[in-house]
Amino acid sequence: DIVLTQSPDSLAVSLGERATISCKSSQSIFYSSNKKNYLAWYQQKPGQPPKLLISWASTRESGVPDRFSGSGSGTDFTLTINSLQAEDVAVYYCQHFYSIPLTFGGGTKVEIK
Amino acid sequence: EVQLVESGGGLVQPGGSLRLSCAASGFTFSSHWMTWVRQAPGKGLEWVANINQDGSDKFYVDSVKGRFTISRDNAKKSVFLQMNSLTAEDTAVYYCARGVYGGNSDLFNYWGQGTLVTVSS
Repeated sequence: DIVLTQSPDSLAVSLGERATISCKSSQSIFYSSNKKNYLAWYQQKPGQPPKLLISWASTRESGVPDRFSGSGSGTDFTLTINSLQAEDVAVYYCQHFYSIPLTFGGGTKVEIK
Repeated sequence: EVQLVESGGGLVQPGGSLRLSCAASGFTFSSHWMTWVRQAPGKGLEWVANINQDGSDKFYVDSVKGRFTISRDNAKKSVFLQMNSLTAEDTAVYYCARGVYGGNSDLFNYWGQGTLVTVSS
């Protein structure tokens, strides 16, 4: 099974500053045949289901503010939130969709400092 | 508008059974794989099971194999999760989700609000 390790578990960032979350995979989730990384990022606010933010490691979903960006390839991935807003307080999860079983990272809680 | 509405959660004793349902609307249900994802209280997300369009292909996380069964009724636009031999470790909010691209390995852009299953004596 592919294990996704997120860090940090939580971070506090001042409004307007940058938040950076890491997701490391136990094996490469890059398919050379289509040159795609099979990684997604989700945002989950309290009492709500997860919301898909980014697919293919770096493709923002429609309607997602451009302060959210994803990067990385192979086994190391990053979610960056530029200019953190109050509404970005949430837990963020990475998920691979490379193979069964699908797995999620442990989550990173983002708070306002 | 795509909607997924789960039901069937509740309090059940260890060793007991429960059947969850997810009613879908707003899309061609019979054309999509469907998935169950769970989240224990205060914990992260765990993929549980998924099923293909006609119900002939099913996949499960190891921890539920032999105890949980996913099924669907395309006429009723519903997917189900039969859960047997429940333990405290199965206590979670169970979400129904629809994938973006199809296939057994997918990411999810539509989620229900979830139904809480509590296993306790």
